[in-house]
Amino acid sequence: AQSVTQLGSHVSVSEGALVLLRCNYSSSVPPYLFWYVQYPNQGLQLLLKYTTGATLVKGINGFEAEFKKSETSFHLTKPSAHMSDAAEYFCAVKGPGRRALTFGSGTRLQVQP
Amino acid sequence: EADIYQTPRYLVIGTGKKITLECSQTMGHDKMYWYQQDPGMELHLIHYSYGVNSTEKGDLSSESTVSRIRTEHFPLTLESARPSHTSQYLCASSDPKGAGGGYNEQFFGPGTRLTVL
Repeated sequence: AQSVTQLGSHVSVSEGALVLLRCNYSSSVPPYLFWYVQYPNQGLQLLLKYTTGATLVKGINGFEAEFKKSETSFHLTKPSAHMSDAAEYFCAVKGPGRRALTFGSGTRLQVQP
Repeated sequence: EADIYQTPRYLVIGTGKKITLECSQTMGHDKMYWYQQDPGMELHLIHYSYGVNSTEKGDLSSESTVSRIRTEHFPLTLESARPSHTSQYLCASSDPKGAGGGYNEQFFGPGTRLTVL
């Protein structure tokens, strides 16, 4: 079985501050890992993904995430928050033999001016 | 431009009505998915299709049904809508031979927000 835990359903940061959104997964083998962003009344857009190779993954809009196997984590970071980053962020995993992605419950990011 | 479309975007209907939510993709993807998402909650897989004439129930039980007669089209039908069906429905597709490279990167439509009164 696989599951995804996103710590903190709401995160608020000031514009220009570091963004850190946490994601931990449970899986019998290292899965493929994804971060998606969802803006209000829209579908999900892929930010970045980890499949194999380099554990630090860079995505769109200045986001990056690091796969840490020993911690079963895939936290999302951005050095400097922008107002346009305010959205819902979902971490997802794809384990071997699974039909589809398993999603976390999401973290709503608020960016204060 | 390759994309995935859902119509309608918003739907408000009365109890007992039959509805069909449309989903189409122009990317030629074999795999398509329907997810249900309640406000502030994670996405739950309700239907899955490997390809034409191949559909399966997802992890979350749903009274809806789906069909896959054409690769690009994956409609979802509710025969008799109830207030408990009020939710957002997201359609997605993926192709292991394509840009996802076999890693099941899923491309999502904009969603249909359904309200049943």
